[in-house]
Amino acid sequence: SQTIHQWPATLVQPVGSPLSLECTVEGTSNPNLYWYRQAAGRGLQLLFYSVGIGQISSEVPQNLSASRPQDRQFILSSKKLLLSDSGFYLCAWSGTPGKRQETQYFGPGTRLLVL
Amino acid sequence: QKEVEQDPGPLSVPEGAIVSLNCTYSNSAFQYFMWYRQYSRKGPELLMYTYSSGNKEDGRFTAQVDKSSKYISLFIRDSQPSDSATYLCAMSTMDSNYQLIWGAGTKLIIKP
Repeated sequence: SQTIHQWPATLVQPVGSPLSLECTVEGTSNPNLYWYRQAAGRGLQLLFYSVGIGQISSEVPQNLSASRPQDRQFILSSKKLLLSDSGFYLCAWSGTPGKRQETQYFGPGTRLLVL
Repeated sequence: QKEVEQDPGPLSVPEGAIVSLNCTYSNSAFQYFMWYRQYSRKGPELLMYTYSSGNKEDGRFTAQVDKSSKYISLFIRDSQPSDSATYLCAMSTMDSNYQLIWGAGTKLIIKP
C-alpha cells in the first residue's frame, strides 16, 4: 500500500530564516505531487504541483519554491520566511493505478509558525 | 464570486441525526466531485468520489451530485461523535491537469 510522509510535524521559525519541508511517498512510482497551504479556518490553496522529476508548476507567486529531486520526493523551500508564510502545509500525491488522477491522498502536514 | 462555495459552519447536531453538507459551484465543466474529511491538525482523507451526476453510497455516507443545479451534497446517517471534523468538497474538470478546486470546508460537531 501507498504511504506519504512529511516532516517535520511542527516548526517555529523566525522571520527571514530559510525553510525546507520534505515529503516522500512510498509504494508507488511516478506519482503526481502537490504542495498545499491551509490557513486557519480556510480551504486548501495549491502552491505547486509536479508531474515528474524536475517538473514543477507554480500556482501562486510568492517567496516559496519547490523541487523534485527524485521520483517520490518533493521539497518546499524558502530563502527568507515572511510572517504571512505561517500555516499548515500539506503534501499530497495522486496517480494510483486504476484510479482517476483527481483522487489525491494527503500526508499528515507540517504546522509552520513564523515569528 | 468563488468557483466553489461552502458554508464554513460550524454545524452542530445531536448524535444520531442525519447530517447534510453542501457545496455549490459555478463552473458547469466540473465532472469529478470529491468529499474529504479532515480531523483537527491532520491531513484531509478522501471519503467519497463521484463522477458526473447521481448518488453514491458507502456505509453511512451518501454523496449526491445535481449538475443541473450545480450543487453537491454529502449525507451522513446515524451521525457519531467520531464524525466531528471539517468536511471539504473538491471538484475538477476533464482537462484540469489533475488540479482540484476546493471549498473552504464545513466544520461539523456531533454532540453526544
